[in-house]
Amino acid sequence: SQQGEEDPQALSIQEGENATMNCSYKTSINNLQWYRQNSGRGLVHLILIRSNEREKHSGRLRVTLDTSKKSSSLLITASRAADTASYFCATVDSGAGSYQLTFGKGTKLSVIP
Amino acid sequence: KAGVTQTPRYLIKTRGQQVTLSCSPISGHRSVSWYQQTPGQGLQFLFEYFSETQRNKGNFPGRFSGRQFSNSRSEMNVSTLELGDSALYLCASSPDWNTGELFFGEGSRLTVL
Repeated sequence: SQQGEEDPQALSIQEGENATMNCSYKTSINNLQWYRQNSGRGLVHLILIRSNEREKHSGRLRVTLDTSKKSSSLLITASRAADTASYFCATVDSGAGSYQLTFGKGTKLSVIP
Repeated sequence: KAGVTQTPRYLIKTRGQQVTLSCSPISGHRSVSWYQQTPGQGLQFLFEYFSETQRNKGNFPGRFSGRQFSNSRSEMNVSTLELGDSALYLCASSPDWNTGELFFGEGSRLTVL
């Protein structure tokens, strides 16, 4: 079953603008990860943030995590046409024996040149 | 290092047939996971293997099965195919579950007619 929802479901922006995607989840987590998927292809890991972290940066990516609200956001700065893809958040539940990622439904980002 | 390799990339089957999909993880990775992706249900966890042992299984019927070999390669099998089994099947590997990110293959796209 889906852990939560990404918001918005689709986002269209001009090249150079910033893109913000939000993710909500339902359970206590060990960590939250963001993945990117180009149309119909495999997923590529972007960034991981642990439950005791509040913010993390990687290049043009900034991720925040608010465990009290069970939500995360992914910010892509200075977007490029090559950033056009679907973006998924995925959580790892806390507790032993949870060897799985639970994915959201994704945000489809279109960056217009 | 070579990435995760999935074969076949595309296949077409008819209802009632069975199918076997193969996954070769990144060299040295001992954890292999499988996910099903459909437009309606999104990304759903199938199973995770580590050192030939299934550690976790998702909420799928018994027609879905898998195994992992001593060289960490994995296969999944779907018997008595149904139209709803049409999906992109993604394999992912990691050194061990606790290392965080998963490395995904390009997927096997199954169409059931």
